[in-house]
Amino acid sequence: NAGVTQTPKFQVLKTGQSMTLQCAQDMNHNSMYWYRQDPGMGLRLIYYSASEGTTDKGEVPNGYNVSRLNKREFSLRLESAAPSQTSVYFCASRTRAAQGQFFGPGTRLTVL
Amino acid sequence: GENVEQHPSTLSVQEGDSAVIKCTYSDSASNYFPWYKQELGKRPQLIIDIRSNVGEKKDQRIAVTLNKTAKHFSLHITETQPEDSAVYFCAAPYSGGGADGLTFGKGTHLIIQP
Repeated sequence: NAGVTQTPKFQVLKTGQSMTLQCAQDMNHNSMYWYRQDPGMGLRLIYYSASEGTTDKGEVPNGYNVSRLNKREFSLRLESAAPSQTSVYFCASRTRAAQGQFFGPGTRLTVL
Repeated sequence: GENVEQHPSTLSVQEGDSAVIKCTYSDSASNYFPWYKQELGKRPQLIIDIRSNVGEKKDQRIAVTLNKTAKHFSLHITETQPEDSAVYFCAAPYSGGGADGLTFGKGTHLIIQP
């Protein structure tokens, strides 16, 4: 099992460009999550999907959209990238509430 | 949403000594408290967790305690080793419970001095 995978690993964008971060898990987990990590800020929840077909906003959703394509895949889209979105983005998944989340390797995004 | 405070931000201990990291949370409905270890440039990895119906949980050199009345929980690492050097994060459910993500503390950089 690959666990949680993310693509790309690194990306540099110019202000105003768009892109989609991809995440997939092969653990048959129901819930999937997107976080961003900035220095000194810990991880902050952007969006989550409790199950296939549902998505909800987290703590910092502005400037992002998500799609739960199927049970395995959960993508994060930046429609018009801004320098404030420079961060490391982690995808995670878990099978149900009160269970540990497993994280992907992360995507390091720089917006110039 | 939940608010999680974590202290200290940096902790330096001698190899072989114990380390304690403390977190407080705000939502009394929160029922699950995981701890993650993150090495430089790597993903966060779950090292131990505790549910609200348990006061203490231990796994070899790592233990977590929970005080629901005071709304705080702590990570204890005994007999520290060089490989324990990392950033540790505590977390609680984003909105008290359910399948809705986690709110993280800002992290503790643990340094093990040889």
